[in-house]
Amino acid sequence: EDQVTQSPEALRLQEGESSSLNCSYTVSGLRGLFWYRQDPGKGPEFLFTLYSAGEEKEKERLKATLTKKESFLHITAPKPEDSATYLCAVQSRRVTGGGNKLTFGTGTQLKVEL
Amino acid sequence: DTEVTQTPKHLVMGMTNKKSLKCEQHMGHRAMYWYKQKAKKPPELMFVYSYEKLSINESVPSRFSPECPNSSLLNLHLHALQPEDSALYLCASSQDPPPVGRNEQFFGPGTRLTVL
Repeated sequence: EDQVTQSPEALRLQEGESSSLNCSYTVSGLRGLFWYRQDPGKGPEFLFTLYSAGEEKEKERLKATLTKKESFLHITAPKPEDSATYLCAVQSRRVTGGGNKLTFGTGTQLKVEL
Repeated sequence: DTEVTQTPKHLVMGMTNKKSLKCEQHMGHRAMYWYKQKAKKPPELMFVYSYEKLSINESVPSRFSPECPNSSLLNLHLHALQPEDSALYLCASSQDPPPVGRNEQFFGPGTRLTVL
């Protein structure tokens, strides 16, 4: 069974204080690892997809990296508007039917303060 | 355009009511999904449609009835719900089969459902 564990559960940063969020996973053949941002009461917003170990992707202050066992979301010089819950999800190569089934972690709730 | 729309934004219903949630996408995606999300929990998959056919039902109670009238629309019919069904209901879509490097799902804003 696919499993995703995110840490820490919650993180409080000062504006400009860089840090990293962790996503550890076990999956039967990784088809893709996804990062989403979710604001309270809203749907998850797609950030990145990573497909193979060593891959990196960047968007503004965010950078996602992938190894064979975990992914990191690095946040450089965060701002208060980066406050949100960050969700990690994996998709395995096991064929379970049409569509792409995701297994989500429980998320990291990030709060960036002035 | 990566927009998935959902209506209504909020819904309050009694346990004897019948209501429907609606979802629409115009990205040409052929896979559509319903998720349920409780507070401080990750989204929990309910149903997957692929090419308008139900491909995954995650053992969801029959008081939830999905429908995919065409490739752009997805409905979730609700009947005789319980207070514990109160949650944020999310719709998502993705390409199917996904081209290399493009298998992400895009989510709608959700419908906040309250069952009294």
